[in-house]
Amino acid sequence: AQKITQTQPGMFVQEKEAVTLDCTYDTSDQSYGLFWYKQPSSGEMIFLIYQGSYDEQNATEGRYSLNFQKARKSANLVISASQLGDSAMYFCAMKEVRGRRALTFGSGTRLQVQP
Amino acid sequence: KAGVTQTPRYLIKTRGQQVTLSCSPISGHRSVSWYQQTPGQGLQFLFEYFSETQRNKGNFPGRFSGRQFSNSRSEMNVSTLELGDSALYLCASSLDSIQETQYFGPGTRLLVL
Repeated sequence: AQKITQTQPGMFVQEKEAVTLDCTYDTSDQSYGLFWYKQPSSGEMIFLIYQGSYDEQNATEGRYSLNFQKARKSANLVISASQLGDSAMYFCAMKEVRGRRALTFGSGTRLQVQP
Repeated sequence: KAGVTQTPRYLIKTRGQQVTLSCSPISGHRSVSWYQQTPGQGLQFLFEYFSETQRNKGNFPGRFSGRQFSNSRSEMNVSTLELGDSALYLCASSLDSIQETQYFGPGTRLLVL
């Protein structure tokens, strides 16, 4: 069963607008971490934001915020004021306390910011 | 602090050969994980090393192996290369905690001909 689902293969957004990238997850663990990474065409995975399963507040890092809805098992990434440099692949990932301690990734969303 | 470094960045090999990839983690990080990224399978976990011991392993054949040295640097080896091993191999390092973020290197692009 897929543990991380990203249903948007590709998205377009106008420069300076906000965009939401969807992510749903599946786990029976009570303790887990959710991560978002950005991967430009160069290939490097760049960490953006982290949300712990016990965190009551939604995580924010600059222009990035994570809309965490635990009951719905969703962890959507919101990018405010999009910039041309935000064009990249975005991956949602989860790490469970039990299990392999490895990141399980979704299939990614390709975001293209248009001027 | 310097980030995660990986060498080489690009590699071309032929079927049947073997290859060794290297990863130097962020200073102070003792956990090193390896991932394979392909267009068809996406990002898949290979293995994790901590204090020179393989702590976790993904679902890859025994042709894929690795090791970690006392300075936390890690290598992964793929023997008897197959065409399907062509991929971006990413190394990530972290402190040893489930909440800790894994920071990735730039990756090694391996092409098997």
